[in-house]
Amino acid sequence: AQSVTQLDSQVPVFEEAPVELRCNYSSSVSVYLFWYVQYPNQGLQLLLKYLSGSTLVKGINGFEAEFNKSQTSFHLRKPSVHISDTAEYFCAVSYVQGAQKLVFGQGTRLTINP
Amino acid sequence: DAGVIQSPRHEVTEMGQEVTLRCKPISGHDYLFWYRQTMMRGLELLIYFNNNVPIDDSGMPEDRFSAKMPNASFSTLKIQPSEPRDSAVYFCASSPRAKVNQPQHFGDGTRLSIL
Repeated sequence: AQSVTQLDSQVPVFEEAPVELRCNYSSSVSVYLFWYVQYPNQGLQLLLKYLSGSTLVKGINGFEAEFNKSQTSFHLRKPSVHISDTAEYFCAVSYVQGAQKLVFGQGTRLTINP
Repeated sequence: DAGVIQSPRHEVTEMGQEVTLRCKPISGHDYLFWYRQTMMRGLELLIYFNNNVPIDDSGMPEDRFSAKMPNASFSTLKIQPSEPRDSAVYFCASSPRAKVNQPQHFGDGTRLSIL
């Protein structure tokens, strides 16, 4: 069975500092990987996705993530954060073959301090 | 373009009452998903449909919960009778046809409070 672990439930950083949100997954088969962002009182929006090919994936709002198959990780990074990046971030996986459904991690709350 | 539309945005009702949550997916999307989000359990998939047919309802917590999709543009999630532990934010999402690499588009959710 698939599972997703987001290692940090909360990450506070100062504005303009770099940030990394960690995500590890477990699966015995090939997966697709996603990061979603949830702003207060809103639904989730797709930040970026890894399907195949280059292991470094660039998304919206200056975020990027790197797929590391040997470490089964898909960490999210941004070199310089802004106050507007304050949100909850979810890592998710789905099977390459088979079901359409996503399995989400527990989420990481990113707080940007001025 | 209109996104996924959910109604109501907020619902407060007393224990034992029937609750109906509604969702209009994005036009042309073949998949529809219902999720529940709580602090304790995070984001859980309850059920999803493909072309109006329920495919996987293994996440539905118990018989008090039911979901229908009578046509491609409308789905409901019902709780009868409701209990305080059903309090959560319920999200509907839709995605285009069958490829698993298509992202899901989420509505803004219904915040449900059962007193």
